[in-house]
Amino acid sequence: GQNIDQPTEMTATEGAIVQINCTYQTSGFNGLFWYQQHAGEAPTFLSYNVLDGLEEKGRFSSFLSRSKGYSYLLLKELQMKDSASYLCAVSGYNKLIFGAGTRLAVHP
Amino acid sequence: DTEVTQTPKHLVMGMTNKKSLKCEQHMGHRAMYWYKQKAKKPPELMFVYSYEKLSINESVPSRFSPECPNSSLLNLHLHALQPEDSALYLCASSHAGGTGELFFGEGSRLTVL
Repeated sequence: GQNIDQPTEMTATEGAIVQINCTYQTSGFNGLFWYQQHAGEAPTFLSYNVLDGLEEKGRFSSFLSRSKGYSYLLLKELQMKDSASYLCAVSGYNKLIFGAGTRLAVHP
Repeated sequence: DTEVTQTPKHLVMGMTNKKSLKCEQHMGHRAMYWYKQKAKKPPELMFVYSYEKLSINESVPSRFSPECPNSSLLNLHLHALQPEDSALYLCASSHAGGTGELFFGEGSRLTVL
């Protein structure tokens, strides 16, 4: 089976840095994805990690430790438009399973 | 073209109706997916098609019937639905093998009366 845990809600200030953690237990692993989803919209791809380490993409970075079953998404220079749900998703056995998501609220 | 197109965007149906949701992609992806998403919940996988064949059915009730007529199209046929089936239905596609990024459509918001 698969179990993916991430915090339900987080708040942060515009211009700050926030880290969203994700822990997982899976019976098969082909990679870990982070998606952003604004209310009422489809998820959009942010990052993908298959090997241990940090992947950086502009203001967003994602880290993976396969031995610890742990990932985080780092958002820098937060903007109001970053207020959204952030979904950690694990790929394995030809399917992508999502965690419950973290609702991030960015305040001025 | 990096789009996944879903129609209709909104659908209201009664419990005795038969309707279909449609999804189309032209990215050459050979894996296509249906997810169901309730408000403030993550997307839940329903079906996976790989090379036009159903490869995963996550124990979805038979009132939902998927169909993949060709490599670009994916349908979800709906019959005798229940009010609790009201949700956002998301279609996605990826390269075959399910190891790459999923591209999502905007979704079809279904309301069952």
